[in-house]
Amino acid sequence: DQQVKQNSPSLSVQEGRISILNCDYTNSMFDYFLWYKKYPAEGPTFLISISSIKDKNEDGRFTVFLNKSAKHLSLHIVPSQPGDSAVYFCAARSAAGNKLTFGGGTRVLVKP
Amino acid sequence: GAVVSQHPSWVICKSGTSVKIECRSLDFQATTMFWYRQFPKQSLMLMATSNEGSKATYEQGVEKDKFLINHASLTLSTLTVTSAHPEDSSFYICSARDFGGGYGYTFGSGTRLTVV
Repeated sequence: DQQVKQNSPSLSVQEGRISILNCDYTNSMFDYFLWYKKYPAEGPTFLISISSIKDKNEDGRFTVFLNKSAKHLSLHIVPSQPGDSAVYFCAARSAAGNKLTFGGGTRVLVKP
Repeated sequence: GAVVSQHPSWVICKSGTSVKIECRSLDFQATTMFWYRQFPKQSLMLMATSNEGSKATYEQGVEKDKFLINHASLTLSTLTVTSAHPEDSSFYICSARDFGGGYGYTFGSGTRLTVV
């Protein structure tokens, strides 16, 4: 049972435009959500997070939106840069514990 | 910021041998560390939660006798893949819970294990 899903396995966007990555979850006990960027053969790098009590968090070019009623979050990257090309994972933490549950990832390609 | 060092970054071993992977928190104490496994083009799957001074908590379907976890100090957790087989070949990543600041989860750089 996949509790965190990223339904788009890949995304291609032109440099300078907006990248929108989506993530859906099923567990209403998740209280904290995180986005990570990952290159092959490397560990994930933290990008941005959001608590379930908020609906938006912004940090530079990255903005995460949370819609609790829809159990949906999205990551907006604007403007997209070629260096943003990587795999992006959303992750969720349950209020009951420490561990993170990851989505399947979305591979982003930013074309110059 | 918090740094987690994972070693080795890659290892090749023969079938039937054991391999130990180390995960160290360099500038903070980590009472809880996590071990993940990632197959090519797939997500990170949590294998176990490592708690300092106590037994690890394994996820369903993960063989605790095959994947031995030791968290003997507040800065070191080890994962030993015992009697490795080719199907154990994967990318293993550790993560440490850092309660001191930021978002709280810092990842190591991963270990590519190839069993031949």
